[in-house]
Amino acid sequence: AQKVTQAQTEISVVEKEDVTLDCVYETRDTTYYLFWYKQPPSGELVFLIRRNSFDEQNEISGRYSWNFQKSTSSFNFTITASQVVDSAVYFCALSEAGNTDKLIFGTGTRLQVFP
Amino acid sequence: SAVISQKPSRDICQRGTSLTIQCQVDSQVTMMFWYRQQPGQSLTLIATANQGSEATYESGFVIDKFPISRPNLTFSTLTVSNMSPEDSSIYLCSVEAWDRFATNSYGYTFGSGTRLTVV
Repeated sequence: AQKVTQAQTEISVVEKEDVTLDCVYETRDTTYYLFWYKQPPSGELVFLIRRNSFDEQNEISGRYSWNFQKSTSSFNFTITASQVVDSAVYFCALSEAGNTDKLIFGTGTRLQVFP
Repeated sequence: SAVISQKPSRDICQRGTSLTIQCQVDSQVTMMFWYRQQPGQSLTLIATANQGSEATYESGFVIDKFPISRPNLTFSTLTVSNMSPEDSSIYLCSVEAWDRFATNSYGYTFGSGTRLTVV
């Protein structure tokens, strides 16, 4: 069965610190996709990244980077030099190619960045 | 990528009544997804709506409680029926966003959500 685990419920950091949000997933499919979304206090869901199961290259986008490791079924997200505007709930999600592409979400990690 | 207009953005409803939420997409999409986010919780898929067929509901969700319409490839509605305070949640619709050639997926785009409070 598919499952996404975000063990960190809440993280607090001070501005300019680096922070890593963990995501561990379970799936039986060989073809699947992993996602990260940001949900700021306003409530909308902001798409951050989509990664397919055949692409294990790490990705960097500005202050954001993602580390995908199939060997440990993890897809961790690092914010470098965090800013107050990064404060939000971050969700990791999984979709399986053979499962109508629906998204299975983790429980989310609330990140608070203090000035 | 697709842009979704969802309305209403929020509502306060009396228990026992029904609310219909609308999502309009600026491009044609095969599947539309409806999610519920209870207070302080993660998102849970309610159902998948294909145009021209009955919606497919996830375990724990039934058509009588959450009827869905999908009259065309750009529009869908979700109705929350006979509401109780336990239905107070954020409801979101979602579609998969593709490039103009439909060859590369940008992932899933979400509407801005409907914040429902049942009193």
